[in-house]
Amino acid sequence: DIVMTQSPDSLAVSLGERATINCKSSQSVLYSSNNRDYLAWYQQKPGQPPKLLIYWASTRQSGVPDRFSGSGSGTDFTLTISSLQAEDVAVYYCHQYYTTPKCSFGQGTKLEIK
Amino acid sequence: QVQLVESGGGVVQPGRSLRLACAGSGFTFRSYGMHWVRQAPGRGLEWVAVISDDGSHKYYADSVKGRFTISRDNSKNTLYLQMNSLRTEDTAVYYCAKDWAAPGLFDYWGQGTQVTVSS
Repeated sequence: DIVMTQSPDSLAVSLGERATINCKSSQSVLYSSNNRDYLAWYQQKPGQPPKLLIYWASTRQSGVPDRFSGSGSGTDFTLTISSLQAEDVAVYYCHQYYTTPKCSFGQGTKLEIK
Repeated sequence: QVQLVESGGGVVQPGRSLRLACAGSGFTFRSYGMHWVRQAPGRGLEWVAVISDDGSHKYYADSVKGRFTISRDNSKNTLYLQMNSLRTEDTAVYYCAKDWAAPGLFDYWGQGTQVTVSS
């Protein structure tokens, strides 16, 4: 099983500043046949289901603001929010779907306003 | 628009059973694999089970294998999760989620249904 580990567990950032969340997988999620990383990022606000932000490690889902970006490949990935807005307060999860159709999530990173 | 609506949650004693349902609309239900994902109180997301579009393939997390059964009725656009021999650690919000660009990549989730296992 692939274990996903996020860092930090929680993060406090000032409005307008950059927020960076890291995710490390216990094995590569890069599928060599199509050169795609099977890695997604979700945002979850209290009382709501998760919302897909990024897939294939760096492709932004339709309707997601461009301040959200994903990067990385293989085993190390990053979600960056370039200029934090109040509505970005949430828990963020990385998610590997390499072991499709099974999958696994990171433990989550709680993002708050400083 | 795509909608996934879960139902069937509630409070149940340890060792008892419960069946969850997830009604899909706004998309061709029979064309997509479907999953159950759960979230224990104050905890992260845990993948539970998946069923292929035609129901012929099913996979489970080790934590529920042998106790839970995923199924679907494409004529009713409904996904199910039969949960037997429930344990206190099965207490969680249960979400159904729809496959999208790849199996295991979810573009839509339901709002969830609460399952509480307690004596």
